[in-house]
Amino acid sequence: EPEVTQTPSHQVTQMGQEVILRCVPISNHLYFYWYRQILGQKVEFLVSFYNNEISEKSEIFDDQFSVERPDGSNFTLKIRSTKLEDSAMYFCASSDRGRISPLHFGNGTRLTVT
Amino acid sequence: GIQVEQSPPDLILQEGANSTLRCNFSDSVNNLQWFHQNPWGQLINLFYIPSGTKQNGRLSATTVATERYSLLYISSSQTTDSGVYFCAIAFTGNQFYFGTGTSLTVIP
Repeated sequence: EPEVTQTPSHQVTQMGQEVILRCVPISNHLYFYWYRQILGQKVEFLVSFYNNEISEKSEIFDDQFSVERPDGSNFTLKIRSTKLEDSAMYFCASSDRGRISPLHFGNGTRLTVT
Repeated sequence: GIQVEQSPPDLILQEGANSTLRCNFSDSVNNLQWFHQNPWGQLINLFYIPSGTKQNGRLSATTVATERYSLLYISSSQTTDSGVYFCAIAFTGNQFYFGTGTSLTVIP
């Protein structure tokens, strides 16, 4: 069964550094998402991406965040200047028809900011 | 505003017991899914169920969209069922809203 893959599985970075989290969505999917989960809390929406542009974003997704689909397979989340409170599990997801089809999640990247 | 509420927040079961988890939501849904987050943090898709009833082995789910709730049934629970169960819902946009989760512990 096709799956969403995320790399790295764990990243440690120092406060103020830039990080790029990488995702390869399922190949025929058209809608892409980033979610995050702070330890012990619920899963929070960050951004959705369709047709090479952001379709929705949450209040969490401020100017320090950006997303990109640099080629036909990768989908990235960049955090420009990390803060301690950015420490979380970041999940990438994809679906083929947006809200009327199932979301498929990757295994997540655990980001630790020190 | 949009609300997705799950109950109970915590549940401890003896192995072999049955349980029902509930997800209440505040608006009409386009999409509802149930996920199991295992101890390694992975989100496992259990059911895509915007309406109706589905079964998969010991698990089944029912969504009554007109009454704005969904139920996840776990029968003959096993220790591997432990983890957090989330419902996630899409309403009008493409954003999926997650509930606060039910943390399940199955003890042998």
